Amino acid sequence: DSGVTQTPKHLITATGQRVTLRCSPRSGDLSVYWYQQSLDQGLQFLIQYYNGEERAKGNILERFSAQQFPDLHSELNLSSLELGDSALYFCASSPFQGAFRGSDSYEQYFGPGTRLTVT
Amino acid sequence: AQKITQTQPGMFVQEKEAVTLDCTYDTSDQSYGLFWYKQPSSGEMIFLIYQGSYDEQNATEGRYSLNFQKARKSANLVISASQLGDSAMYFCAMREKDFGNEKLTFGTGTRLTIIP
Repeated sequence: DSGVTQTPKHLITATGQRVTLRCSPRSGDLSVYWYQQSLDQGLQFLIQYYNGEERAKGNILERFSAQQFPDLHSELNLSSLELGDSALYFCASSPFQGAFRGSDSYEQYFGPGTRLTVT
Repeated sequence: AQKITQTQPGMFVQEKEAVTLDCTYDTSDQSYGLFWYKQPSSGEMIFLIYQGSYDEQNATEGRYSLNFQKARKSANLVISASQLGDSAMYFCAMREKDFGNEKLTFGTGTRLTIIP
C-alpha cells in the first residue's frame, strides 16, 4: 500500500459526459502527478501540482483539467468524453516539487488507479 | 524521438533463473534519474529501484539490481532467482527536467512471465 488513494476504482460512462477523478496523496506529500495509461499511448504524464499550484504540464488535452485543493487532495476533470479516453488514470505523489539537486531524485508513489471506460 | 526504449515486449523465464530486462534511454541532460516500476495484473505501479546519473555504484534493492552503463545509455534491470510473483509488466522510466520541474517518461514496458 503506497499511501496514495484514488476514487473511484472503476468508472463507466457514456461519450460526451464529464467525470471527476479524485486523488489523496500520501500524508505530507505536497506534489501530485496525474498519468494516463492506455493501450495505444502507453503511460503518459498529464500534469503536476505542487502545494496547490500547477508546476508541469505534459500531454494533457484541453478537455481535461485538474486542480489541487488546500488539503492537498487533487481532482482530475475529464469532459466531453470520447471512446479514446478509456484508460487507467493514475495519480502519484512525492514530497517535493521536483527541483533538481544533482542526482537526487524522489520516488513517486503511485495510487491504485481509476479505470475509466467510456461507452 | 523515443526517450525510453524497451525492446522486449515479452519474456518467458524459468522460475529461479535470473532475468535481465533491457532499457535504453536518450537524454542530453547531465543530471537525470532512471527508475524501474512493476505493474502486476492488479494494475498498481510498484517502485522497484532508482539509479541517479552521478551514482558510481549500480543500484541494488534485494533481488533487484540495475546494470547502469552510462556511456551506452542503458539501465537494465536484473532480477535474481526469479519467483512466480515476479510475473508482471515492468516499466523503465526516466526523470526529465521540465523548466526545473520533474516528470517521469515511461517506456512501453516488458511483460515478464515466470514459468514454474
